[in-house]
Amino acid sequence: SQKIEQNSEALNIQEGKTATLTCNYTNYSPAYLQWYRQDPGRGPVFLLLIRENEKEKRKERLKVTFDTTLKQSLFHITASQPADSATYLCALDMNTAGNKLTFGGGTRVLVKP
Amino acid sequence: EAGVAQSPRYKIIEKRQSVAFWCNPISGHATLYWYQQILGQGPKLLIQFQNNGVVDDSQLPKDRFSAERLKGVDSTLKIQPAKLEDSAVYLCASSLDPTAGRDYGYTFGSGTRLTVV
Repeated sequence: SQKIEQNSEALNIQEGKTATLTCNYTNYSPAYLQWYRQDPGRGPVFLLLIRENEKEKRKERLKVTFDTTLKQSLFHITASQPADSATYLCALDMNTAGNKLTFGGGTRVLVKP
Repeated sequence: EAGVAQSPRYKIIEKRQSVAFWCNPISGHATLYWYQQILGQGPKLLIQFQNNGVVDDSQLPKDRFSAERLKGVDSTLKIQPAKLEDSAVYLCASSLDPTAGRDYGYTFGSGTRLTVV
C-alpha cells in the first residue's frame, strides 16, 4: 500500500538558520507533490506544489526539491523566523485522476529566537 | 474572497450519541472534501464531492458516517452513533475543480474539533 513518511520528531532550530524537512513515499509514482503549513487550531494552508518533471521550486524563503528516483521531497525554510514555527505537511495525489490527496503525518518546526 | 466556513468549532458528545458538522465552501468551488485529522497525524480523506455527487467515499465508515451536499454548495457530515475513536478534528476543504486542487492546492476551513467521552 502507499505510504508517506515525514519525521515525526519536532525540529528545533535557531532563528536565521535553514530548516530542512523530509518527505519520503513508497509504492507510488505521483505526478506532483504539495506542501502545506498548519498552525494549531487551524486548517492546513497550501504553500507549494512541485511536479515530477521539476527538480526544484522556490517561493520567497521556501525551497522544495523532488527526487523521483529516491522517492523523496525536501522542504527548506531559509533564514528561518519564529513566525515559521508550525507543522508542515507533505501531500501526494495517489490517484491519476488527480482527486485524492493523501497527507503525511507532518513535522513540527519550532524556531527559537 | 471568503474562506471555507465550518461550524461548530468545538463539540463534546457522549459515545453512542449523534453529531453533525456543517461546511460552506468557497463560492464557485465545485469540489468539496471532508478530512478527519486525529491528534498528531495528518489529515485522512473521508469523502469527496464533485458538485452534489460523490466521487470517492472509499474511506468513509459507512456504518456510522454519512455525508451529503445538497444543491452542490453546503455540505454536512454526520456521525451516528459516535465512538470514542471518532475524537478528531474534522476538516472541510474545497477547490474549483479536481485539476485546480491538484495545481493550486486545497483551501481548508479551520475544522470542527470533536471530543467523544
